[in-house]
Amino acid sequence: AQSVTQPDIHITVSEGASLELRCNYSYGATPYLFWYVQSPGQGLQLLLKYFSGDTLVQGIKGFEAEFKRSQSSFNLRKPSVHWSDAAEYFCAVSNAGNNRKLIWGLGTSLAVNP
Amino acid sequence: GAGVSQSPSNKVTEKGKDVELRCDPISGHTALYWYRQRLGQGLEFLIYFQGNSAPDKSGLPSDRFSAERTGESVSTLTIQRTQQEDSAVYLCASTKGNQPQHFGDGTRLSIL
Repeated sequence: AQSVTQPDIHITVSEGASLELRCNYSYGATPYLFWYVQSPGQGLQLLLKYFSGDTLVQGIKGFEAEFKRSQSSFNLRKPSVHWSDAAEYFCAVSNAGNNRKLIWGLGTSLAVNP
Repeated sequence: GAGVSQSPSNKVTEKGKDVELRCDPISGHTALYWYRQRLGQGLEFLIYFQGNSAPDKSGLPSDRFSAERTGESVSTLTIQRTQQEDSAVYLCASTKGNQPQHFGDGTRLSIL
């Protein structure tokens, strides 16, 4: 079955520290991969996506993610976290056809200490 | 409008009542998705519309749930005889071509 696993339910980091949020997927075909962020009281915002090509993708707000096919992973990273990065982060996958319904992980809640 | 618009933003209703949620996609977006986000759970796909093609209803949790969309315009999600487990944030997203999905702010539904 298709699934997305985000092993870390909650992570706390200090401001200025580096960040890595893990995402593993189980998918029959080569998936399209996404990271979304949801800040309190706000909608979902796309951070970055991977469709094909270079496996290291750059996104908004200084985030990047690396697709590792051998590990079925698409981990999100940021070299230096800002207090405003505190939010819920969701990894999602879809197929490459017309119907790109997203299959979601349960999310990782990020807290940032000053 | 510039983004996906959903209404109402909040809805509180009594168990057993019917509710209708509305989604206005971004103009020109041919594809429209509904998702549900229940507390403590991930987002769940509900239904997908693409132009005038038959929708993918595979995510609808029961026959109390239905949705409509005419062409590439507004979509409505209807829940009949609401139950407490229907309490959730209902999210709509639209897209076209190879673009990622753009989400509305959602409707927070509370069933008393």
